[in-house]
Amino acid sequence: EAGVTQFPSHSVIEKGQTVTLRCDPISGHDNLYWYRRVMGKEIKFLLHFVKESKQDESGMPNNRFLAERTGGTYSTLKVQPAELEDSGVYFCASSQEQGVDYGYTFGSGTRLTVV
Amino acid sequence: AQRVTQPEKLLSVFKGAPVELKCNYSYSGSPELFWYVQYSRQRLQLLLRHISRESIKGFTADLNKGETSFHLKKPFAQEEDSAMYYCALSYNQGGKLIFGQGTELSVKP
Repeated sequence: EAGVTQFPSHSVIEKGQTVTLRCDPISGHDNLYWYRRVMGKEIKFLLHFVKESKQDESGMPNNRFLAERTGGTYSTLKVQPAELEDSGVYFCASSQEQGVDYGYTFGSGTRLTVV
Repeated sequence: AQRVTQPEKLLSVFKGAPVELKCNYSYSGSPELFWYVQYSRQRLQLLLRHISRESIKGFTADLNKGETSFHLKKPFAQEEDSAMYYCALSYNQGGKLIFGQGTELSVKP
């Protein structure tokens, strides 16, 4: 089966611009998670979708970040306007059942650089 | 607040030497602890979890609730073990993970 796919793999944008990251989960996985690793810091949870609904968005840093999952399939994470501190690697993960015990597959990540 | 601490950013050992990657957590309840690994140019993947008490690729980790630790150990390191290792904690059924900062393991020939 295809794994979790993220694109682009790399993105370099200027401060103030908008960037949209996309994640395609494994087919049939209702649960989709976004995480990010900012340079030198730990990987941090951003939010969790169950199908098209936001189950937990407690990790979203501010209102410059908007995540959607229309139709409960792929998800997008938009950063508008991007700031320097948004640079990092954004990971997506999906699972069929809720809870990490049920298998949690990560994508390769999108490396975002804001200059 | 829940937190995971990995005190070593980089751990360098020679092939065949024992290795221990430290992980401490803070959580008052009963957490689920995991080790994730990211090899060069590969995606983050689950290495092992404390509830299954398994050994993967020769690695083991024991949850010590008294010391709130979940150290990862391997008696004889191999060069192919070189990677970034992340300790992670889950404390609810939602699947949200709290990660440590990661330890880069470098195994030299």
